[in-house]
Amino acid sequence: DVKVTQSSRYLVKRTGEKVFLECVQDMDHENMFWYRQDPGLGLRLIYFSYDVKMKEKGDIPEGYSVSREKKERFSLILESASTNQTSMYLCASSPLGEGTAETEAFFGQGTRLTVV
Amino acid sequence: GESVGLHLPTLSVQEGDNSIINCAYSNSASDYFIWYKQESGKGPQFIIDIRSNMDKRQGQRVTVLLNKTVKHLSLQIAATQPGDSAVYFCAEKGGGYQKVTFGTGTKLQVIP
Repeated sequence: DVKVTQSSRYLVKRTGEKVFLECVQDMDHENMFWYRQDPGLGLRLIYFSYDVKMKEKGDIPEGYSVSREKKERFSLILESASTNQTSMYLCASSPLGEGTAETEAFFGQGTRLTVV
Repeated sequence: GESVGLHLPTLSVQEGDNSIINCAYSNSASDYFIWYKQESGKGPQFIIDIRSNMDKRQGQRVTVLLNKTVKHLSLQIAATQPGDSAVYFCAEKGGGYQKVTFGTGTKLQVIP
């Protein structure tokens, strides 16, 4: 089974702290994604990566950065956490390919981040 | 545009009835349209997708219909079961890019 693992289920950080959210996948997928999920807004794409050291901005990249030094690991970084970044963060991975292989993303359990 | 509502639309269905969850999409250039299911406390899980050159695709107990004329996507669940209770998201994937854009979700409640 594909497994996408996020390092923390719950995290509480203070305003201004630098925050690292880690995600590891074990299926050798090329694509990895970070989304945030807020009530009534669905999942919004922050950043994605289609290869090691490659990254693309999603729809809401402001206040975030990412790092992909190894194929299996995709990190989301909040340079200076703010209260409006309190949210559920979801990491996903998917293979590079045609058809369903491109659309079937596998998600982690999520990290509930609270910034106080 | 993006919905700014704070409340998920909710569909309540009697166990054993069929469910129809609807979604409007915005990007005519999307290659694929996808349905995900998210149970409480879990990440979304892929259900089924449909390529933009198709209008219907069937899976196990689920059918996805695509109407490109009105930019409408629907998910039909046959003989709805309590385990189908979840939030359902439609999503679309644009040509040439790897990213998938999600809708705001619909909560399905199955009444025993």
